[in-house]
Parts: sequence; structure tokens; C-alpha cells
Amino acid sequence: EDQVTQSPEALRLQEGESSSLNCSYTVSGLRGLFWYRQDPGKGPEFLFTLYSAGEEKEKERLKATLTKKESFLHITAPKPEDSATYLCAVRMYSGGGADGLTFGKGTHLIIQP
Amino acid sequence: DVKVTQSSRYLVKRTGEKVFLECVQDMDHENMFWYRQDPGLGLRLIYFSYDVKMKEKGDIPEGYSVSREKKERFSLILESASTNQTSMYLCASSLYDRGAFFGQGTRLTVV
Repeated sequence: EDQVTQSPEALRLQEGESSSLNCSYTVSGLRGLFWYRQDPGKGPEFLFTLYSAGEEKEKERLKATLTKKESFLHITAPKPEDSATYLCAVRMYSGGGADGLTFGKGTHLIIQP
Repeated sequence: DVKVTQSSRYLVKRTGEKVFLECVQDMDHENMFWYRQDPGLGLRLIYFSYDVKMKEKGDIPEGYSVSREKKERFSLILESASTNQTSMYLCASSLYDRGAFFGQGTRLTVV
């Protein structure tokens, strides 16, 4: 069965301590991999789309990369305001029209001052 | 900026009531989605629509229906609300295969 697994479930870092979040997927045909940030009580905020292995996207302190089996969200020198839950989602080929995204359960990131 | 607006932030309804959750997007996106989000279960797709009057079931459609009469509006209907439908409901829209943009969410409590 297709699925999306994120690790770790939770991560606590000191301000300035760089790290990476992992999203592994087992889908039969990938149409896109998406990263979101979600703050408590709010809807997910779109960050990046990756379509093919080797692709990279950057935004401020965040960099997303993609291989054939997983994606990484690298956080460089994080600040307390980067604290949030980071969600990974995939869209796969199914032969039809639009399809919904399948989400992982997220990584809860805390950046301590 | 894309804007997806859900009609309510918080709702409290009684068991057995018919509940309407409304969502409007302002970017002429073809695709619209309804998810629910529960602790430990993550986001799960209820229904999606890729065109006016078109709809497809997601992973957990039981107890729900949807309506898309206009391109910008996608409604989620709980035919007879039950306590296990207490959740955060999230609407989203997207253009083709691009990233989906989410609304602020509706926290529904069924008592």
C-alpha cells in the first residue's frame, strides 16, 4: 500500500543547530512531493514542490531535496520562529484526473533560544 | 496571493444535525479538496473535485457528501453529524499538479 513516513516524529534543536527532516515514500508513480509548514490551530502553509529525483528548492533557511525514495528538508541555522510541524505529502499517478495529496503524520520541530 | 476562505473557524453542532462547511477560493483553481485532521492520524482526504459538478471520493467519505456548483466554491456536508466527526476540517485548492493551498480550518465539535 502506498504510504508516506516522516521521521523523526519530534525534534528539539538549539537555535543555530542545523538538522534535516526525512520523508520516505512508497508510491507506484510520483506526480509530485510537497512540503508544508503548519502552526498550531492553523491550516498548512505551502513551502515547496519537487517533481523529479535530484531536484532541490530553497527558501530562506529551508532547503528541500528529492531522491527516488525519499525527500529531506534541511534546516540551516534555525531560529525559534521556525518552530512548527512540518508535513510532507505526495501526489501519485492513478490514471485519472486530479488526485488528493497523501500526507505523512509530520515532524514537530521545536527550536529553543 | 492565493486565498482559500472557510466560512467558520469554530462550530458546535448537535448529534443528528445536518452541517454545511463552506469553502471559497479566489484563484480560479480547478481542483478543490476537503481533509480532516485528527491527532495521531494526520490529514485524511474526504473528497476532492477537479471540475464544477465533478467529485471523487477520498479515503474516508463515509458520512459526508460534497457539492461544487461553482468553480470557486466547494461545500462539505455532514448529513447527520455524529460525535466521531468532531475534528479540524481543512479545505484546499490547487492548479493542476501544483501545490495545494489550504484555508485556515474549521474546528467542528459535535455534542
